[in-house]
Formats: sequence, C-alpha cells, structure tokens
Amino acid sequence: AQRVTQPEKLLSVFKGAPVELKCNYSYSGSPELFWYVQYSRQRLQLLLRHISRESIKGFTADLNKGETSFHLKKPFAQEEDSAMYYCALKKDNQGGKLIFGQGTELSVKP
Amino acid sequence: ETGVTQSPTHLIKTRGQQVTLRCSSQSGHNTVSWYQQALGQGPQFIFQYYREEENGRGNFPPRFSGLQFPNYSSELNVNALELDDSALYLCASSPEAANTGELFFGEGSRLTVL
Repeated sequence: AQRVTQPEKLLSVFKGAPVELKCNYSYSGSPELFWYVQYSRQRLQLLLRHISRESIKGFTADLNKGETSFHLKKPFAQEEDSAMYYCALKKDNQGGKLIFGQGTELSVKP
Repeated sequence: ETGVTQSPTHLIKTRGQQVTLRCSSQSGHNTVSWYQQALGQGPQFIFQYYREEENGRGNFPPRFSGLQFPNYSSELNVNALELDDSALYLCASSPEAANTGELFFGEGSRLTVL
C-alpha cells in the first residue's frame, strides 16, 4: 500500500539553526513527491516538488529512491518558517490524488 | 484571480443527518478534489471531479458522494453522518491536464457531528 510517513509531529529549533523535516514513503511505481505548507491562519499551499529541483524560501528536498525518502532541509531556519509541513506523494497520472503524511509542526524560536 | 472558496466554514450536525458542503474552484480550474482532514492528521483523498464526472476515489464509503457543475463548482454530500465524520473538509482545484500535483486549496469546512 502507498504510504507517506513523517515521523516527527513537532520539531522545535532556534533561529539560525539547520532544520530537517523527515519524510519517508512506500510506493512501488515512479513517485512524485511534494512538500505542502500551512502557515498560521493561511490555507494549505505547495512549497516545492521534487521534479522542479528548486529551492523555495531557502528550502530544498532531494528524492532518495534508495532510502525512499524526501527530507526537507534548510540551512538556517527563520521565525517565519514556523508552520505545519506536509509531505505528499502523487501516483502515476493521478494529479489530483495526493497521499499526505501526518504533518510536522515546525516551531522556530527566537 | 479568485481563489478556492468553500461554504459553510463551520457546521454542526447530529448522527444520522445529511450534510452538503460547497466549493467554488479557482478561476480557470476545471478539476476539483475533496479531502478529509481529521484532527492531527494529514488530508485524506475522498474523490476528484473532472468535467462533471467522478475521476478517482479514495477509500471512503458510498455515503460520501459528490457533484460537479458546468461552472466547475462542486458539492460534497455525506449521508447518515457518523461521529467519525467530524473533520475539516478541504476542497482543492487544479487546471485541466496539469497533472502536476499542484493543488490550490480552500480554507475548508469544519464539520462537527454530535
């Protein structure tokens, strides 16, 4: 069965510290992985996707098929990064159907 | 550009009742997906509508049903409500053939079943 696992419900770091939000997945096909973010009192929105190989707001994520992971990283956390982060998997040709992890709340303290 | 709007924002029902939730997709988007988000969990896919037809369904019983209208707005109907149906229901739209996995979410409708 397809599954996305985010092992940490809460991650708390100090401003300027590196941050890594973990995501592991299980899927036998060719997955596409995403990170969605929800800031306080805002709606859920796309942060980045592995296909784009882009850095958004200083965040990067690399798909590691060997370890079936897609961890989200940022070298220096900022207070405005505090939010709920969801890792999601899209199966082949099923654009609207995403399988989400349980989410990790990132708290960046001053 | 108008984003995804959902109504109502909050509602309370009792067990056994029926509920209808509404969603207007973002301008230019003709695909709508519905998700259920229980407290402390990630969103879970219910179904998707494309050109007024159901186009994929998650692991939800038939008492969860939907509609999409010619203007691409959508409804989610839940019959015979159960306590476990209490959740935030999210609507998300995406443009035709994008298949990119980028969904544009509404703010959700929070349903409480007593």
